Amino acid sequence: SYVLTQPPSVSEAPGKTARITCGGNDIGSKSVQWYQQKPGQAPVLVIYYDTDRPSGIPERFSGSNSGNTATLTISRVEAGDEADYYCQVWDSSSDHRVFGGGTKLTVL
Amino acid sequence: EVQLVESGGGLVQPGGSLRLSCTASGFTFSSYEMNWVRQAPGKGLEWVSYISAPGTAVFYADSVKGRFTISRDNANNSLYLQMNSLRAEDTAVYYCARELDLSAFDYWGQGTLVTVSS
Repeated sequence: SYVLTQPPSVSEAPGKTARITCGGNDIGSKSVQWYQQKPGQAPVLVIYYDTDRPSGIPERFSGSNSGNTATLTISRVEAGDEADYYCQVWDSSSDHRVFGGGTKLTVL
Repeated sequence: EVQLVESGGGLVQPGGSLRLSCTASGFTFSSYEMNWVRQAPGKGLEWVSYISAPGTAVFYADSVKGRFTISRDNANNSLYLQMNSLRAEDTAVYYCARELDLSAFDYWGQGTLVTVSS
């Protein structure tokens, strides 16, 4: 089965740029989604199809995907960005949807 | 406004059964693929099951295959998850989620908690 690997935690100071990675075998050939989840809330889609932002998601959120790594970049980090972030893909070989283990973003 | 509302969660003994429901509104339910995703306490997200828009194709995570059954009633804008032979490790908040092409889950319900314990 396809595996997505994320760092358990990332920390960044307000106003700086936070980068959260998602590793997978040839993930660059897949479409990657990113979700933000705050405590006690349902996940929210923040990036889909590698780089697209749903309406209402700030431009500070961006995505990239190449080779074996996809990256969620959050520019000008704010306290309100503190949350768990999950990457996700569709594994076409099994028709399974796959989530990464999640990364806790701490804003210092 | 798109809304997904789950129901049916609760406390069940190991080996027992439970049926979750997800009621959709604010969009043409019959045009969208749907999924169930769960989250054990303090853990990450785990995809559980998928169903195509007409309900003709279904897929399951290995951890629930043979025990869980996904279905839908497009006439009543409802999604279901029949869970049998429940185990302690099935304890989680269960979310229903709408799927765009290429598995982007753009709308999620608020979740319903299933606790499997004696």
